[in-house]
Amino acid sequence: QQQVKQSPQSLIVQKGGIPIINCAYENTAFDYFPWYQQFPGKGPALLIAIRPDVSEKKEGRFTISFNKSAKQFSLHIMDSQPGDSATYFCAASNFGNEKLTFGTGTRLTIIP
Amino acid sequence: ETGVTQSPTHLIKTRGQQVTLRCSSQSGHNTVSWYQQALGQGPQFIFQYYREEENGRGNFPPRFSGLQFPNYSSELNVNALELDDSALYLCASRGGPSYNEQFFGPGTRLTVL
Repeated sequence: QQQVKQSPQSLIVQKGGIPIINCAYENTAFDYFPWYQQFPGKGPALLIAIRPDVSEKKEGRFTISFNKSAKQFSLHIMDSQPGDSATYFCAASNFGNEKLTFGTGTRLTIIP
Repeated sequence: ETGVTQSPTHLIKTRGQQVTLRCSSQSGHNTVSWYQQALGQGPQFIFQYYREEENGRGNFPPRFSGLQFPNYSSELNVNALELDDSALYLCASRGGPSYNEQFFGPGTRLTVL
């Protein structure tokens, strides 16, 4: 049973644009929502994470927006660069619980 | 780099064989989780080890088993390999000040023929 739905599956954006990746979850017990970036041949790397007590969190060029009532959250990448081209995964868990439930991933391509 | 290392990098096995994958966690991390990532999919949680005990398991059959050692390194064992076991196996460790953050290793690519 897929508990975290991610869209789009793939995304192409010009350099400087703002790609937006969306996720929706079903389990209302989830209270920790990280985003991971994965390059080919590498393991996922934690980018940014949010808990439901805030609606937005920014770290550098990365922003998470969180809508608790809609059970949705999204990743925005400001001033995107070709080096941001990677696969991005949203995930969810209970805070302090190791079991991350991942979305299916978004393959992002930033073209110069 | 996260400081989490895995070995081997790649592995080819045939159906019915057994395999052992290894993971060294980041210094100071006492909890290790294993994930299976099929091609084009997100990682799926297999199980977690904390202080040498299994502490949480995903929807994987008993032929997937593991160990954690006193130095917090870990092994994933898979018996009676099936074609569908072909995947990238990821180890993640956590602990220390950022307790909830999981840091992934580069993975072991397993191919079952």
